[in-house]
Amino acid sequence: EDQVTQSPEALRLQEGESSSLNCSYTVSGLRGLFWYRQDPGKGPEFLFTLYSAGEEKEKERLKATLTKKESFLHITAPKPEDSATYLCAVQASRGASKIIFGSGTRLSIRP
Amino acid sequence: SQTIHQWPATLVQPVGSPLSLECTVEGTSNPNLYWYRQAAGRGLQLLFYSVGIGQISSEVPQNLSASRPQDRQFILSSKKLLLSDSGFYLCAWSVYRRTGELFFGEGSRLTVL
Repeated sequence: EDQVTQSPEALRLQEGESSSLNCSYTVSGLRGLFWYRQDPGKGPEFLFTLYSAGEEKEKERLKATLTKKESFLHITAPKPEDSATYLCAVQASRGASKIIFGSGTRLSIRP
Repeated sequence: SQTIHQWPATLVQPVGSPLSLECTVEGTSNPNLYWYRQAAGRGLQLLFYSVGIGQISSEVPQNLSASRPQDRQFILSSKKLLLSDSGFYLCAWSVYRRTGELFFGEGSRLTVL
């Protein structure tokens, strides 16, 4: 069964304190791994797609990386506006229209 | 540009009452459509997805059903709501060739009392 596990469940950082969020996955043939950002009471917003081990994507203070078993979302010198829940999702080669999400990491950045 | 509309935004329903949530997408053709549910402080649980009119895949056996009567319309229904149906329901769409990049609606918050 395809599974996505995210850690930590919650993370509180001081403004400017860099850190990483983890997404471990088990899937029969990875077609794609995705990162989303979700603000309270809103639908998730797409951030990145990663397709193969070794791939990296960057957007402002965020960088996503991928290995054969996990993905990391690195946040460098975060600001309070980066506070949100970050969700990881996977798409398997078999049943490729099905997108499975992890439970997310709630990130809080203190000024 | 593409937009997604989802309604109602909020509803409070008694146990045993019916449910209908509607989602429409504008500005694209033949999208993949999805219904997810999110419990408080939790991740997204995939309920249904559809790759075309009348084609519905169900992920969780429960008292909910979905229908796609038109290309860009996706409806989530229940004949009798349970307390456990409470949650934040999200509709999403994706382009056929980029199926992992989902675009979400604003969500419908359902409270069953």
